[in-house]
Amino acid sequence: GENVEQHPSTLSVQEGDSAVIKCTYSDSASNYFPWYKQELGKGPQLIIDIRSNVGEKKDQRIAVTLNKTAKHFSLHITETQPEDSAVYFCAASKASGTYKYIFGTGTRLKVLA
Amino acid sequence: NAGVTQTPKFQVLKTGQSMTLQCAQDMNHEYMSWYRQDPGMGLRLIHYSVGAGITDQGEVPNGYNVSRSTTEDFPLRLLSAAPSQTSVYFCASRSYSNQPQHFGDGTRLSIL
Repeated sequence: GENVEQHPSTLSVQEGDSAVIKCTYSDSASNYFPWYKQELGKGPQLIIDIRSNVGEKKDQRIAVTLNKTAKHFSLHITETQPEDSAVYFCAASKASGTYKYIFGTGTRLKVLA
Repeated sequence: NAGVTQTPKFQVLKTGQSMTLQCAQDMNHEYMSWYRQDPGMGLRLIHYSVGAGITDQGEVPNGYNVSRSTTEDFPLRLLSAAPSQTSVYFCASRSYSNQPQHFGDGTRLSIL
């Protein structure tokens, strides 16, 4: 069935370093790939998303890349700060069919000061 | 801008009790979903709706009921609470299938 694998499950980086989280999806019809940040005690919040007609999107220190051939997309955070510490989820969706978001299992990012 | 509002924020139940988790959105979104989040399991879809009067099952629907009588509201009912239903429950909405999904802040439910 449809599946999204996310790696790593935990990631620790020094403040100022970069962090990369990777996801692989199984359904080649997926065409929308959002990333969510979840802080303690809160619901997931959308931080960036990408559609299948582009290969990369940036928003300040955050970027997402998409490789449709490999069915793989990544979140890149540069110049990490302590407030970036959170759980990050990737997801995949498509315009028709089951209408479901398929979520990855999450990455706990710790930025060490 | 309220977005997605979930009530209550916390609840403790005894095994066998029933209750309804409320979810309301003010963005006129057609799609609404309920997820549960357990440690190490990510977000698992319980039930979803693609419009008023239309609901369907997700990955883990057993023990839960939903209805969608209005666009704004999507309550989740636990029929007879079991300890395995101890979890954090999130409601989410979006305008269409592959659009950004907006989450509430969750209901933390403990079943004793």
